[in-house]
Amino acid sequence: DSGVTQTPKHLITATGQRVTLRCSPRSGDLSVYWYQQSLDQGLQFLIQYYNGEERAKGNILERFSAQQFPDLHSELNLSSLELGDSALYFCASSVGGGAVYGYTFGSGTRLTVV
Amino acid sequence: GNSVTQMEGPVTLSEEAFLTINCTYTATGYPSLFWYVQYPGEGLQLLLKATKADDKGSNKGFEATYRKETTSFHLEKGSVQVSDSAVYFCALTRNTGNQFYFGTGTSLTVIP
Repeated sequence: DSGVTQTPKHLITATGQRVTLRCSPRSGDLSVYWYQQSLDQGLQFLIQYYNGEERAKGNILERFSAQQFPDLHSELNLSSLELGDSALYFCASSVGGGAVYGYTFGSGTRLTVV
Repeated sequence: GNSVTQMEGPVTLSEEAFLTINCTYTATGYPSLFWYVQYPGEGLQLLLKATKADDKGSNKGFEATYRKETTSFHLEKGSVQVSDSAVYFCALTRNTGNQFYFGTGTSLTVIP
């Protein structure tokens, strides 16, 4: 157990639907990162939050949004889902920026859009 | 820009063979370098890291040395085991640490 908790582990939904993925960071970590892992794109950085504020944005689609709550858990919202959104979505956390200690990853949410 | 290039896989080795997975990087400034490992069905786990030039990261028999002159961070292990079968990712981050840049991953299979 890495200490980063992601729920649900698996999600199957239809095109056009909206889902919410949840992440609880490791105790004491203020930064949360979201990544998408697909076979053809590899690991793509989506977004980072630090202590409730958006800190960096990567290749996140406009249909996707995220937030970090006062208790530091984070949610990634995916809407108007398309078949191509099927992927593993990872959350990671770090104490600060991660440059010294790296990230701690959760075990991921596997999203299948049918 | 910042990027990481890893040797393509998959790599198949016999148990006790020597492992090298090449990783080179492009970065502005002085990045920190990492190797992560992903076992089937799991998230990525930090394997080792180096935060400045000439540092050697090591863990579980794996080693990698931060070579600024060749912009490389090759992963090595002297004697692989079946349990080392996994996907290995090289990554870098700037000192701001706002984003990690990952390589495409190298799949390793070790056969008895």
